[in-house]
Amino acid sequence: DTAVSQTPKYLVTQMGNDKSIKCEQNLGHDTMYWYKQDSKKFLKIMFSYNNKELIINETVPNRFSPKSPDKAHLNLHINSLELGDSAVYFCASSPDSSSTDTQYFGPGTRLTVL
Amino acid sequence: QKEVEQDPGPLSVPEGAIVSLNCTYSNSAFQYFMWYRQYSRKGPELLMYTYSSGNKEDGRFTAQVDKSSKYISLFIRDSQPSDSATYLCAMSFDNYGQNFVFGPGTRLSVLP
Repeated sequence: DTAVSQTPKYLVTQMGNDKSIKCEQNLGHDTMYWYKQDSKKFLKIMFSYNNKELIINETVPNRFSPKSPDKAHLNLHINSLELGDSAVYFCASSPDSSSTDTQYFGPGTRLTVL
Repeated sequence: QKEVEQDPGPLSVPEGAIVSLNCTYSNSAFQYFMWYRQYSRKGPELLMYTYSSGNKEDGRFTAQVDKSSKYISLFIRDSQPSDSATYLCAMSFDNYGQNFVFGPGTRLSVLP
């Protein structure tokens, strides 16, 4: 059973489109995250969310919005896609929001904006 | 200067070698230090974490933090081909997962 799953695995789209990436975790964790890994392999946190609050990295453009229909899901919606949004996006979850909690990462979604 | 720097490699070593992976950082406010291993086309997985200066050992892995030099290391003893991956250091100001800063990772190849 996959602990953290993401769909789609690959996403190729045109500039200006709106797209969503879905994430689901079956670990019963309280906190979920979205990360962006750019071409230089830097992994940057975009959002963290638990059932109490959403923490947004202030450097993330407001074209990006996380949506959580329930505790097991945290989807990432992106409006008006730009070339610079091309990256691998990782979803992750942890039991709570502690820095030293193991974060379980999904397999990633490779987004290519043409 | 980037907040966290890591030699991207690739680093190639023979099987059985001792591997040393390092990160330097600029912000002395970092308190928690982590090492992640990322296999190709997979998400990162947490290997070890440490709080403050000192050493921490777990099997073949030892994490070392020198806060005075703003320098952290991960040592792998008796390296195996299965250790071939990218190793990312990460650090945090506090104990909240949303404040992570990651290094770019070092790609390691252990040759049989």
